[in-house]
Amino acid sequence: NAGVTQTPKFQVLKTGQSMTLQCAQDMNHNSMYWYRQDPGMGLRLIYYSASEGTTDKGEVPNGYNVSRLNKREFSLRLESAAPSQTSVYFCASSSKGANSEQYFGPGTRLTVT
Amino acid sequence: TQLLEQSPQFLSIQEGENLTVYCNSSSVFSSLQWYRQEPGEGPVLLVTVVTGGEVKKLKRLTFQFGDARKDSSLHITAAQPGDTGLYLCAGSKYNNNDMRFGAGTRLTVKP
Repeated sequence: NAGVTQTPKFQVLKTGQSMTLQCAQDMNHNSMYWYRQDPGMGLRLIYYSASEGTTDKGEVPNGYNVSRLNKREFSLRLESAAPSQTSVYFCASSSKGANSEQYFGPGTRLTVT
Repeated sequence: TQLLEQSPQFLSIQEGENLTVYCNSSSVFSSLQWYRQEPGEGPVLLVTVVTGGEVKKLKRLTFQFGDARKDSSLHITAAQPGDTGLYLCAGSKYNNNDMRFGAGTRLTVKP
């Protein structure tokens, strides 16, 4: 089992460029999440998908869109990148259940210049 | 302002020492989780506590959930270099979808 995989691992964008971060899990989990991690801020939830076909906003959704392509894949899109979106992005997945364990991917380090 | 305040922010100790890190909030949580994160990797869950006053032990790590379910502590006995990492607490009121993370305590254990 690969667990949660993310691509790319590193990315540099210019302001205004767009890109999609890919995430896939092979644990047959229903729920998937996108977080960003910034120094001194902890992880903040951007969007989540409680099940295939549904997505909802988290704490910091502005400037992002998501797609739950199927049960395995959950992508995060930046339509017009801004320097404030420079961060490390983590995808996570979990099974059903209020406090079930979240499994995190290795992260994507994004720099917007 | 963070919903969950972790202290200290940084901690550097010698191998064999004991330490306690704290996670405090003015909000009540239905559950609180502790994660450890190593450089270049995602966080890994250590424990979930759900009952006020609950104490859980994981080898040399002891986790406590406050009676009022607003705070938690992590105590490590006889720290080892392998304990080095970023320790994050995360609380939720309902489920994973409203989970909030603290900024973390970065622990360094020197041999």
